[in-house]
Amino acid sequence: QVQLVESGGGVVQPGRSLRLSCAASGFTFSSCGMHWVRQAPGKGLEWLTIISYDGSSAYYAGSVKGRFTVSRDNSKNTLYLQMNGLRPEDTAMYYCAKQKTIVAVTDYWGHGTLVTVSS
Amino acid sequence: DIQMTQSPSTLSASVGDRVTITCRASQSISRWLAWYQQKPGKAPKLLIYGASTLESGVPSRFSGSGSGTEFTLTISSLQPDDFATYYCQQYNSYSFGPGTKVDVK
Repeated sequence: QVQLVESGGGVVQPGRSLRLSCAASGFTFSSCGMHWVRQAPGKGLEWLTIISYDGSSAYYAGSVKGRFTVSRDNSKNTLYLQMNGLRPEDTAMYYCAKQKTIVAVTDYWGHGTLVTVSS
Repeated sequence: DIQMTQSPSTLSASVGDRVTITCRASQSISRWLAWYQQKPGKAPKLLIYGASTLESGVPSRFSGSGSGTEFTLTISSLQPDDFATYYCQQYNSYSFGPGTKVDVK
């Protein structure tokens, strides 16, 4: 069955960097676009970024463009999110999500990893 | 950027009620709209995509309609497991609506 397991979250000071990982299994990772979505405590969902199945293209929400970088290693079935210049407002649960093969919606999500930006 | 709105923000209902949630886009998104259900402490679950296509395994009491800028999610007979927050998402540029919490009346 499809499994997505995020890791790398934790407490980090403002201005510092963090890299999140998402280990995928149970499907052909190299055939699927992948997304990162976050949710601040008690708030709604915020889409962050999508990377194409082969890593050749990526798109970002304006709130993270230029600070966050998505990448993937299809040989390791792993998705990454490099987060630089972190701000207190980046505090959230970060989810990775798999895109359906033929439709650009996310059909499976991980359980999330919590990032807290605080001094 | 495409902005998504949802109404109401909170809906109080009873088991067996017919429930309707509305989602509006700031510009036409054709039928590139999905609905998700999220329960506290859990990841969102895809319910509907393409405005009206039910995801595999989702009960048939859930249905979606609409196109262009206005969409609805309907639960024909609310069940105890349906108390949750519902989000719409347009997958032209992927923004989510703010969510609608369905709670117990």
